[in-house]
Amino acid sequence: DQQVKQNSPSLSVQEGRISILNCDYTNSMFDYFLWYKKYPAEGPTFLISISSIKDKNEDGRFTVFLNKSAKHLSLHIVPSQPGDSAVYFCAASSPGTYGGSQGNLIFGKGTKLSVKP
Amino acid sequence: DAGITQSPRYKITETGRQVTLMCHQTWSHSYMFWYRQDLGHGLRLIYYSAAADITDKGEVPDGYVVSRSKTENFPLTLESATRSQTSVYFCASSELRTGTSPLHFGNGTRLTVT
Repeated sequence: DQQVKQNSPSLSVQEGRISILNCDYTNSMFDYFLWYKKYPAEGPTFLISISSIKDKNEDGRFTVFLNKSAKHLSLHIVPSQPGDSAVYFCAASSPGTYGGSQGNLIFGKGTKLSVKP
Repeated sequence: DAGITQSPRYKITETGRQVTLMCHQTWSHSYMFWYRQDLGHGLRLIYYSAAADITDKGEVPDGYVVSRSKTENFPLTLESATRSQTSVYFCASSELRTGTSPLHFGNGTRLTVT
């Protein structure tokens, strides 16, 4: 049973426009949400995070919105650039996801973003 | 160079063989993790470690063994490789509990089991 879902496997956007990547979750105990970006043949790199006590976090062109009542978060990239083309993973963490002590990141399956010049 | 390195980058092995994937980090992070990435599954946790000599199972631990005798190293061993273990393996580390500080990933090991 997937606790973190990214329902769109791919997204194509024109350069300069907004990219919106969506993520849904089922576990109300999640207290942190993170977005990672992954280029081919490289490991994922951290992009931005948000605590469950907030509803928005912004870092330059990247903004993450959290809607706890809907158990939904989204990543907005404005303006989109060709270098943003990558796979984006949504991840969530809660205390004691495994073993009752450590917490672990649960990842979605990823959304492949293509930004066209 | 500071960071997290995985070796080898690519490995082909035969069914039934033992293979060890290496992971080394230079930050002295307490937490280390092994994930596998498969099409249609995203990233799934195999094992993690909160400190030297402390390890615990993740979501998909069967067929894998880990050890952590030193803070900076976290090798992953496939005791008897199976074709279902063909995957890309990522090692990661973090300073604090996941979520409160981000994971830093290595560039992965692509393992093929024939």
